[in-house]
Amino acid sequence: NAGVTQTPKFQVLKTGQSMTLQCAQDMNHEYMSWYRQDPGMGLRLIHYSVGAGITDQGEVPNGYNVSRSTTEDFPLRLLSAAPSQTSVYFCASSDGQGHTFGSGTRLTVV
Amino acid sequence: KQEVTQIPAALSVPEGENLVLNCSFTDSAIYNLQWFRQDPGKGLTSLLLIQSSQREQTSGRLNASLDKSSGRSTLYIAASQPGDSATYLCAVARMDSSYKLIFGSGTRLLVRP
Repeated sequence: NAGVTQTPKFQVLKTGQSMTLQCAQDMNHEYMSWYRQDPGMGLRLIHYSVGAGITDQGEVPNGYNVSRSTTEDFPLRLLSAAPSQTSVYFCASSDGQGHTFGSGTRLTVV
Repeated sequence: KQEVTQIPAALSVPEGENLVLNCSFTDSAIYNLQWFRQDPGKGLTSLLLIQSSQREQTSGRLNASLDKSSGRSTLYIAASQPGDSATYLCAVARMDSSYKLIFGSGTRLLVRP
């Protein structure tokens, strides 16, 4: 079982560039979410989705877009990368019985 | 606003000790509480999930308890081993349709051989 798969694992971007962080789950979970983890700030919710076609903002949504066209996929888009978006990004999914996390994407914006 | 606090922030113990990690939360209206382990540079591994109607869960040497009325959860690790060294995070899920997780800042555990 693959669980939650995130790609890429590492990425370096220049300020102003755009990119998409991919997240896919094979557990047929309705709920998916994106978190960022920063030293001293813990894990904070960026965006979440309670099902295909439904997304909503979390605690720190600015600078990020999401869409949920299928149950399996929940990509996170950075429209114009900024150094403040340097972080480790985690995708998670849940069926309401606990969350499963991906292995993360370590993003550096220079 | 829900806030989650973990004490202590760091803990160093000799191998073989039994230890307790603490997690407190300010709003008792939670759906469930989940304990995770995170190794350096890695993702989050789920250890135990306690539903709001439950008092405790056990898995091997790990036991987690939940007292909603006092806003507390503890993670008990029996007979600690160097391989238990990691950061332990607790997270509470909101009791609404969003099912958002609110995380504590974690306890960094070092088990010395």
